[in-house]
Amino acid sequence: GAGVSQSPSNKVTEKGKDVELRCDPISGHTALYWYRQSLGQGLEFLIYFQGNSAPDKSGLPSDRFSAERTGGSVSTLTIQRTQQEDSAVYLCASSTLDSTGELFFGEGSRLTVL
Amino acid sequence: GIQVEQSPPDLILQEGANSTLRCNFSDSVNNLQWFHQNPWGQLINLFYIPSGTKQNGRLSATTVATERYSLLYISSSQTTDSGVYFCAVHSGYSTLTFGKGTMLLVSP
Repeated sequence: GAGVSQSPSNKVTEKGKDVELRCDPISGHTALYWYRQSLGQGLEFLIYFQGNSAPDKSGLPSDRFSAERTGGSVSTLTIQRTQQEDSAVYLCASSTLDSTGELFFGEGSRLTVL
Repeated sequence: GIQVEQSPPDLILQEGANSTLRCNFSDSVNNLQWFHQNPWGQLINLFYIPSGTKQNGRLSATTVATERYSLLYISSSQTTDSGVYFCAVHSGYSTLTFGKGTMLLVSP
């Protein structure tokens, strides 16, 4: 597609449930990032994939969070046993190069944990 | 890690006014981007400007990497310029680090 595509755009779930968020990066982009933005806050880095290298998971807030990237393209962010503090907009971005390249963001997935 | 500070945190302008937003960073960078987050939450790329000056219509940006700051200029502001402006930098082996943003409100 022309831009970074994320789904679902909105997700409401109950505390304790697992959720999966999907990101389809711009075709040809080798680098993929997940960020989180809580209400009224800046962007918090979660995880970074670059080609076939091991991902940089240094931003994941707890072991309930995990992400994978299959075939070097689509990525899924999984949050297990969701908590209310997980409520946020989860943003995915991709770039052509490594992390020095220009990033392009998707429209985000808004997660609400009741 | 690298620190990114943006100022002012909030700004209210009358339509037609000019403004300057500032981004200071604590270490040398090899990537700097300015984004505009519109009221619907979409992050829109404004400039990819690790150094030098760029212009795009009413907006321009300058990064002085040796002095560790970047400026975003908005001229003849319009109500559609309202939103949050983020500066983000990449340094060394880290990923893109964002400042806390400048919230801009342009009133008619």
